[in-house]
Parts: sequence; C-alpha cells; structure tokens
Amino acid sequence: GESVGLHLPTLSVQEGDNSIINCAYSNSASDYFIWYKQESGKGPQFIIDIRSNMDKRQGQRVTVLLNKTVKHLSLQIAATQPGDSAVYFCAENLGGSNYKLTFGKGTLLTVNP
Amino acid sequence: ETGVTQTPRHLVMGMTNKKSLKCEQHLGHNAMYWYKQSAKKPLELMFVYSLEERVENNSVPSRFSPECPNSSHLFLHLHTLQPEDSALYLCASSQGGLAGAYNEQFFGPGTRLTVL
Repeated sequence: GESVGLHLPTLSVQEGDNSIINCAYSNSASDYFIWYKQESGKGPQFIIDIRSNMDKRQGQRVTVLLNKTVKHLSLQIAATQPGDSAVYFCAENLGGSNYKLTFGKGTLLTVNP
Repeated sequence: ETGVTQTPRHLVMGMTNKKSLKCEQHLGHNAMYWYKQSAKKPLELMFVYSLEERVENNSVPSRFSPECPNSSHLFLHLHTLQPEDSALYLCASSQGGLAGAYNEQFFGPGTRLTVL
C-alpha cells in the first residue's frame, strides 16, 4: 500500500552548511511529491514540489531530487540558516483526480549557530 | 500567512462538552480538508470536501462531525471526545479538488485541542 517515510527522524547541522533530508516512498504510481516545512506552533508550509516526469527541481536555496528507480526523494537546503530549523515532511500524491496526500512522519532539522 | 485561518488556536474541553472548530480560506479554493496531527505520527487525513460535498471520511469516529456550508468555510463539530483525541487539528484548502491534477494544499495554523 501507500507509505511515505523518512530515513532519519532528526538532523543537526551547522549554520552555513548544506542540509539533505531524505524520504522513501513505496507507491510507484505516485506522480507528484511535495515538501512541507512546519515550524513550531504553525501549520505545514509548502516549500517545493516535483512531478514524476522530472528528476530535479530547484527553488530559492532548495533543491528536490527524485529517483524513481529506488523510489527516493530528497530535499537539499543550501547555506542552512537558523530560520530553517523546523520539521520537514514529504508527501506523495497519485495526481490526476486524486486529492489525497500521504505524509511521512517528518524530520526535525536543527541548525546550530 | 497562508490564506487559511483557524479558530480557536487553543481549546481545552471536557469529555462531555460540545465544541466546534472553524476554518476559513481566502484563496478561492474549492476543496477543504481536516487533518489530525498527533505527536510523532504522520498527518492523518480525516475529511475532504470538494465543492461543498464530502468526498472522504477516512474512518473517523462519529464524535467528529464536519460541516461545509460553503466553499470558504469548514467546521469540525466535536462531542463526547476522548483524551486520545487531544492533538493539533489542521485545516487545509486546495485548488482543483477532485479535478485538480496536482494538489498543493495550503494549511492553516491549526487548533491545539486538549481533552481532559
């Protein structure tokens, strides 16, 4: 069945370093993926998305990589800042008319000054 | 601000109380969602409304009753809850709903519910 998970529940990095957050998914039919960021006391906030016909997509300081062969998704954050400290979720969607997002448990990113 | 507001932000209630959570979206979306977020668990989809019609009831107990009077407002009516229902309840909205090909959802800040 559908499942989305994360390899590491916590990640601690130094300010200025690059961060990589990983996500595994099991549904090969999923064709749309989203990364969300959730800060303490707030709801999840959209960061970046990628469709299954792409391998890579870049935003401002963030890059999402999709490896469909091994069903792996990653979020790279360049020059990590203290404001990046949050829980990061990946979510998958079958696309088309499917409105359901399946979320992973999340990775807590802590940025040390 | 994401364009999705929720009230109240915090709620404490006894097991015999009746309360309601409110969500409003200002984005012109036509689909709205209720999620439950418990500690150390993935977000759990509870209900989905598309064009004011409920299209998903994800095996949620009847003590949770949703209401969607129009495409901008969503309520979650609560009655005779259990302590294990304590969680963060998140509302979200999206454009396209069932017809949407790619379903980015915008979340509100959530209501932190504590059931005593």
